Amino acid sequence: DAKTTQPPSMDCAEGRAANLPCNHSTISGNEYVYWYRQIHSQGPQYIIHGLKNNETNEMASLIITEDRKSSTLILPHATLRDTAVYYCIGKTSYDKVIFGPGTSLSVIP
Amino acid sequence: DTGVSQDPRHKITKRGQNVTFRCDPISEHNRLYWYRQTLGQGPEFLTYFQNEAQLEKSRLLSDRFSAERPKGSFSTLEIQRTEQGDSAMYLCASSTQGEMAGYTFGSGTRLTVV
Repeated sequence: DAKTTQPPSMDCAEGRAANLPCNHSTISGNEYVYWYRQIHSQGPQYIIHGLKNNETNEMASLIITEDRKSSTLILPHATLRDTAVYYCIGKTSYDKVIFGPGTSLSVIP
Repeated sequence: DTGVSQDPRHKITKRGQNVTFRCDPISEHNRLYWYRQTLGQGPEFLTYFQNEAQLEKSRLLSDRFSAERPKGSFSTLEIQRTEQGDSAMYLCASSTQGEMAGYTFGSGTRLTVV
């Protein structure tokens, strides 16, 4: 699994876009970038994943740089319910998910 | 089938006692995973099953820990002779083989050893 690095914490104003960065400079060609989040006292929740192209779903957008060494998870209009720890993970489709410490996002009213 | 269920949600036990947790995965998911999470840390992988076969065990899974998935459906995680260091959230997740859309996690069992 690729080692990923994320800032330990971030703040975002409610209603604004939250941009969560992740560095994964050692990611290999067949490893996808996955994002999960964990709201306090709940299990982690899958958000999105991508390989090379940018991806968007109902929860978020994932922007992956052309060299695949970093990516950004975008929550377009952050709400208080988006306050959580966000995990960026590099893995192949058959690897198990290995979590790092993640980024603690606080959405501020 | 509304998701991954874990039982109990909370367990308080005295040091030295045995405890068992249960996980019911999403019915069509053939892979089941156990993780442990302590305060302020990300979840740590413990073990996983494909159907009834236990395919991988982390070094974190000492000989006091045992996991089973006897019929390839629900799974149990037993901790024998609990220690205070076993206090943590125990999370279960399930997926289909080669799942691209990620794991579905349960809400976890919080164990407190006193």
